[in-house]
Amino acid sequence: GNSVTQMEGPVTLSEEAFLTINCTYTATGYPSLFWYVQYPGEGLQLLLKATKADDKGSNKGFEATYRKETTSFHLEKGSVQVSDSAVYFCALAPPGGKLIFGQGTELSVKP
Amino acid sequence: EPEVTQTPSHQVTQMGQEVILRCVPISNHLYFYWYRQILGQKVEFLVSFYNNEISEKSEIFDDQFSVERPDGSNFTLKIRSTKLEDSAMYFCASRAGDGTNEKLFFGSGTQLSVL
Repeated sequence: GNSVTQMEGPVTLSEEAFLTINCTYTATGYPSLFWYVQYPGEGLQLLLKATKADDKGSNKGFEATYRKETTSFHLEKGSVQVSDSAVYFCALAPPGGKLIFGQGTELSVKP
Repeated sequence: EPEVTQTPSHQVTQMGQEVILRCVPISNHLYFYWYRQILGQKVEFLVSFYNNEISEKSEIFDDQFSVERPDGSNFTLKIRSTKLEDSAMYFCASRAGDGTNEKLFFGSGTQLSVL
């Protein structure tokens, strides 16, 4: 079946540190992969996506590359800010199918 | 930017009581969803709704759950007789009818606590 596994949180970093949040997936076929973010008190928002192998999604300084060989879609940012503090969800969607989420990783960035 | 609105933000109820969670999707959207997240666990799909009927539901969505779009603007999730294990954050989502899963817009969620 299809599933997503994320690294456990919470992740606590200092401002300007490098961020990696690991995400691996299991899927049949060729799913699209996503990162969603939930800021405090807000809904889930699409952060970035990639629809095929070797695609790189990017937005707001965040990047993730669709790695079929390692079934991974790790989220990275070179220099985090306090405003990046949020919960990050990795997700996949098989073609024509529903979104399947990971458990979320809480990021806390300290000044 | 248009947004999906959910009310209430917090709901506390006694076990065995009925609850209705309300959502106002984006006005021109055609597909509607409920997801939930039990504390510390994954966001789980509950049900999808299109053209006034359920298009897909998960094994979680048993006879205690129902959805309705009563007036063309609201999209509700009813739990008939709540159980302790129904305590979770419930997210409503909607998307336009263009066939692309990624254009899902989520509400900020309703935190349901069953005592």
